[in-house]
Amino acid sequence: IAGITQAPTSQILAAGRRMTLRCTQDMRHNAMYWYRQDLGLGLRLIHYSNTAGTTGKGEVPDGYSVSRANTDDFPLTLASAVPSQTSVYFCASARGQATDTQYFGPGTRLTVL
Amino acid sequence: DQQVKQNSPSLSVQEGRISILNCDYTNSMFDYFLWYKKYPAEGPTFLISISSIKDKNEDGRFTVFLNKSAKHLSLHIVPSQPGDSAVYFCAASGSRGRKLIFGQGTELSVKP
Repeated sequence: IAGITQAPTSQILAAGRRMTLRCTQDMRHNAMYWYRQDLGLGLRLIHYSNTAGTTGKGEVPDGYSVSRANTDDFPLTLASAVPSQTSVYFCASARGQATDTQYFGPGTRLTVL
Repeated sequence: DQQVKQNSPSLSVQEGRISILNCDYTNSMFDYFLWYKKYPAEGPTFLISISSIKDKNEDGRFTVFLNKSAKHLSLHIVPSQPGDSAVYFCAASGSRGRKLIFGQGTELSVKP
């Protein structure tokens, strides 16, 4: 079934450790996004990529990095995790036009202790 | 500074009645608006959208109304069903960009 997969489903991580959240889509979408969801704050955009080879910063990029080596994959890396990065992380993709629907993955629940 | 605001964290409605979820925005450059629905432990799913050239868009039981002068949009669900119980997020974007700005979400509970 076409869609977006994220891994891991959940993770408990010690502060200071490096962590990469994986996201893969098989819809050949050009645009991909990373959001974090926090209670009372909704979904906030971390980083995005309009097409393979390009990335951009969202609302809350600090402490996170992304890469887009190909169309399908868009990993999110926390170089040195901090407790404030405890959140649920969602990856999304869209065909790439301004009004295209974004399709979301199931999310990764990350706890940083 | 929250550019898209959903001021009601929760809403409880009786089955069969109308659910009205509200959303306000501050950026006059927004011209495309969406509603997403999210069940626990799942990603958000697209529900309905509206362009700023319209003031209403309808899809089955779901209708979105846009009042540009008030910078306000609302989602009406009629009739409400228990399966509609979820968190609803409104989102906005400018047509020149593809980034969505989301509200905080409203948790809808539809009682049988």
